[in-house]
Amino acid sequence: EPEVTQTPSHQVTQMGQEVILRCVPISNHLYFYWYRQILGQKVEFLVSFYNNEISEKSEIFDDQFSVERPDGSNFTLKIRSTKLEDSAMYFCASRVDGRQPQHFGDGTRLSIL
Amino acid sequence: KQEVTQIPAALSVPEGENLVLNCSFTDSAIYNLQWFRQDPGKGLTSLLLIQSSQREQTSGRLNASLDKSSGRSTLYIAASQPGDSATYLCAMSVTGGSEKLVFGKGTKLTVNP
Repeated sequence: EPEVTQTPSHQVTQMGQEVILRCVPISNHLYFYWYRQILGQKVEFLVSFYNNEISEKSEIFDDQFSVERPDGSNFTLKIRSTKLEDSAMYFCASRVDGRQPQHFGDGTRLSIL
Repeated sequence: KQEVTQIPAALSVPEGENLVLNCSFTDSAIYNLQWFRQDPGKGLTSLLLIQSSQREQTSGRLNASLDKSSGRSTLYIAASQPGDSATYLCAMSVTGGSEKLVFGKGTKLTVNP
C-alpha cells in the first residue's frame, strides 16, 4: 500500500541553524500538510499546500517557516533559524481530496540544542 | 475556536473486553472526523473516516459513530487485544479552508493480557 515517507527520521541541529525536513507524499495525492507534535502535547496544524501554493497556515507558521514542492514528488518544510521551542515531531500528510482521509508519514523528530 | 476533547486521557482494560473511546468537538460546521492510532514514537495510522453526512463507519473490530447535533464521536473496539494498546486520536476538519485537521490529545489505551 502506498505511504507517505519522511526523511530524516531524526534530526539534531544547533539553535539558529537552518533545517529542511523532507516528505514524499503518496503519488496521486493533491493536498499536502505539515503538522507538529511537541512532546506530550496535541498534534498541531502548521500549513496546507495545494496547487503549488499555501492554502492555509497557522499562527505557528511565521516568517521562519517555508514550504516548497520543488518537483513532482517532494514536499519540504524549511525552518530558517531554529529555536529551542521548535523541538518536536514533525509530520507530513497528504490526501487525494476532501472526502478521503489524510495519510501521515512516520514523522521527523527534530531536536534543537 | 475549534476544539476537540478526548476523555478519558488513559484507559486500561483486560483482554477481550469491548470498549468505547469518546471524542467531543465544538464546531457544528464539521466536514469530517478521522480516528487515528499512534504507537509510541511513531506516526499516525488512519483507522476510520466519517463524513459529516454519515452516522457511522466500520472496519473489522472497529466502529466509529458521529453525532453532529451533540458534537460527539465514539470509537468502539470489540474484543480488545494486547496489540490494540496505543494512543487513539480523534481529529475533525471543518468546511471551508483547507480541511486541516484539529486534533484531540488522545486516549492512551492499554489492553492487559
